[in-house]
Amino acid sequence: ETGVTQTPRHLVMGMTNKKSLKCEQHLGHNAMYWYKQSAKKPLELMFVYSLEERVENNSVPSRFSPECPNSSHLFLHLHTLQPEDSALYLCASSQEYGRAADTQYFGPGTRLTVL
Amino acid sequence: GQNIDQPTEMTATEGAIVQINCTYQTSGFNGLFWYQQHAGEAPTFLSYNVLDGLEEKGRFSSFLSRSKGYSYLLLKELQMKDSASYLCAVRDANYQLIWGAGTKLIIKP
Repeated sequence: ETGVTQTPRHLVMGMTNKKSLKCEQHLGHNAMYWYKQSAKKPLELMFVYSLEERVENNSVPSRFSPECPNSSHLFLHLHTLQPEDSALYLCASSQEYGRAADTQYFGPGTRLTVL
Repeated sequence: GQNIDQPTEMTATEGAIVQINCTYQTSGFNGLFWYQQHAGEAPTFLSYNVLDGLEEKGRFSSFLSRSKGYSYLLLKELQMKDSASYLCAVRDANYQLIWGAGTKLIIKP
């Protein structure tokens, strides 16, 4: 059983919709991450928060907007998405961002389909 | 640029041994991770290597050669439940994780 949960597990939305993905970690970690996973491609890091401050934003389109209200919760707000944004969105957490052996623990992901 | 190479897909037989290779070219090196990901599920941590050599954890072992930019994951006594994707990731000099595209392992009876 994972200490990182994500809701919803599946989401279908139109290009004009606004939706949010939620992630919660129960591991007492200080860092949280959003990744995009597309078929047969490496994981793409989107955002990183450490101690509730955003520390990385890897050239992600503004239609994706993260929010980290506290160290246990992370949101990804979505608006006016494109069909190419359809993918599995994974949340992860880790004990201490920037440490070599820091291990990331993943949630089960949200399978997003944009029509 | 930075790059991680893994075979796209491998097939092996139940009860056998399989070796999944990972080669990397990165700006610096601060360790290499292996993760297992079953279809539709979360990637789960398997191993972390930062020094050269073999580390064993039950049926799974991970090997690292920093001079060759090479690692492998060795799975012994394969079981049907080992059918999954195996992801290799390297932490570079800036402590960023560089991910491979993963190797899909298919186990046949």
